[in-house]
Parts: sequence; C-alpha cells; structure tokens
Amino acid sequence: SQQGEEDPQALSIQEGENATMNCSYKTSINNLQWYRQNSGRGLVHLILIRSNEREKHSGRLRVTLDTSKKSSSLLITASRAADTASYFCATDAGGSYIPTFGRGTSLIVHP
Amino acid sequence: GAGVSQSPSNKVTEKGKDVELRCDPISGHTALYWYRQRLGQGLEFLIYFQGNSAPDKSGLPSDRFSAERTGESVSTLTIQRTQQEDSAVYLCASSWTNSPLHFGNGTRLTVT
Repeated sequence: SQQGEEDPQALSIQEGENATMNCSYKTSINNLQWYRQNSGRGLVHLILIRSNEREKHSGRLRVTLDTSKKSSSLLITASRAADTASYFCATDAGGSYIPTFGRGTSLIVHP
Repeated sequence: GAGVSQSPSNKVTEKGKDVELRCDPISGHTALYWYRQRLGQGLEFLIYFQGNSAPDKSGLPSDRFSAERTGESVSTLTIQRTQQEDSAVYLCASSWTNSPLHFGNGTRLTVT
C-alpha cells in the first residue's frame, strides 16, 4: 500500500518559476526523503528530513515537514528545463528501514 | 566510483518462461532493495536484504518471485512462469544502513 501520496500528480510551469510539490502520509515516520527520476532512469536521492526536523535546504531545494499534519513539501526555486522529471517522496517507519514511495509528481518545466 | 548496475537493461520474454534479473550494488553497501515500477506508477517494494539478516520478503507478490543475495554483493531476482502482469521496470537499490538509496537504471521486463 502507498504510504506517501504526492500532490499534484502533474505540474507544468515556465522556466524561472518556482515549483511546489506536496506529500501526505498516513502513519508516524522516522524519515522522509525526496527523490527525482528522469525518464527511463533510476531514482536519484535529493534530500532527507528526519521526523524531528522541520525544514532543510539544499541548493535550490527547500523541504518542509509538518508531522502534526503528516505532510511535507518540496519547493524548487528558479526552475530550469533540466528540472523536468518525476519527483517522489518516500517514508520509512518503525524499526525496519524500508522506504515506501508515493506515485510521484510529474514536473515539466518549459524553456 | 561505480554506481548500482543492473542487467539486462531490457528483457523480452514469452509468457510462462522464467527470467533472472541481476543487480550489482555499490561495494560495501550493506542494504539492498528490489522495487517494481509499473508504467506511470510509483515504486512497489518487493524485497530487502540487510547484511546477514534474513531478508524481508513481505513485498513479493506471489511465490513465483524469489531473490537471493550472496553476502553483501550481487543479488538476483527470479520470476518463474512469467505472466503479462509481471511487465514492469524492476529497480534495484543499495545503501549503507539507514541511509539514502542509490538506484540502478532498472531492467525493463516485457512479457509477451
């Protein structure tokens, strides 16, 4: 079963705009991660945020975590055409580190 | 350094045949995962190996699916008597314990 669910399913923006994707999950978690997948490729890890953290930054990426709402958001600032990809959130819970992935958000950035 | 390597990259097989998919993890990574991704879908967990512990097979969809890992090296995922619904991309990932996953590019399996 899916633990995390991304929203929106698809997002289309112009280069230079910001892109925001959301992830909601059902049960308490240890960590939440965001991954990117380019067409026909494997997933690439972007950022990990632990349950006791509220915000993390990495370059143009900003991730927030609200454990009271069981949700996270990924913000990509000043988007580029190369950011076009699918973005997945993954959560792990309990004693076993097995990340459970959502269905992803498909982001298209038009040059 | 070398990343996670999967072979073959593409496999077309006839319904009812057995297939074997291979994953070479990053050297030293103790954890290895197999996921399945159907077209336009998220990742479906299949199996997890951690060091010398018994693997977590809770995601395997049927007894036609099995996987092995030799120590902390190569893993093979075997699907017996393939069905059309097995068509998907099979992704392997490895990691240090409780660390982000490094994925291979997957094996695209098509069952005709």
